[in-house]
Amino acid sequence: DAGITQSPRHKVTETGTPVTLRCHQTENHRYMYWYRQDPGHGLRLIHYSYGVKDTDKGEVSDGYSVSRSKTEDFLLTLESATSSQTSVYFCAISEVPTAEQYFGPGTRLTVT
Amino acid sequence: AQSVTQLDSQVPVFEEAPVELRCNYSSSVSVYLFWYVQYPNQGLQLLLKYLSGSTLVKGINGFEAEFNKSQTSFHLRKPSVHISDTAEYFCAVSSFGNEKLTFGTGTRLTIIP
Repeated sequence: DAGITQSPRHKVTETGTPVTLRCHQTENHRYMYWYRQDPGHGLRLIHYSYGVKDTDKGEVSDGYSVSRSKTEDFLLTLESATSSQTSVYFCAISEVPTAEQYFGPGTRLTVT
Repeated sequence: AQSVTQLDSQVPVFEEAPVELRCNYSSSVSVYLFWYVQYPNQGLQLLLKYLSGSTLVKGINGFEAEFNKSQTSFHLRKPSVHISDTAEYFCAVSSFGNEKLTFGTGTRLTIIP
């Protein structure tokens, strides 16, 4: 299995609070991605990174920011959590865009 | 822009029967196509991929898919399913020059004993 971990695995937070999710890889892959998974929507890309300090937006980036200060870590921050951000968040990595993406175990976030 | 349509949100199939999960894509340039599987309470893992070459692609667990450029389809098939195939299946597309992968909405495969 690809070495990808996500933390925390579960989190319950209140509306308006900031939340940071962490993705850590041991594969030294260049590309890292954050997706959210919601029933009826499949996986939707939030942000991705193509190198240290190089990031770009996905299709559902509003309300989210990311940072990548080291190859192995990709952080997703919800500046002020809303109930619409209740979801399961997956991190993924790949060597190149056309290669297989390896997924982490997911983080279940509930915003009350 | 690229997009993926999975035509069936749920597919019930009897054990040992064949199954086909349908996927259609849209893109104005060359595509790379993927099928991922998600077992309950787990992340996604790759079943198979088409990058170029032979249009019939074989994957893990006895699955295969055929790339049909004229019909812009990449349907997933298995000749005989097992209880362990119960999962959600996602088709995904990436295009030449595009760093992003676009996923379909998923097909939940339920195996009936």
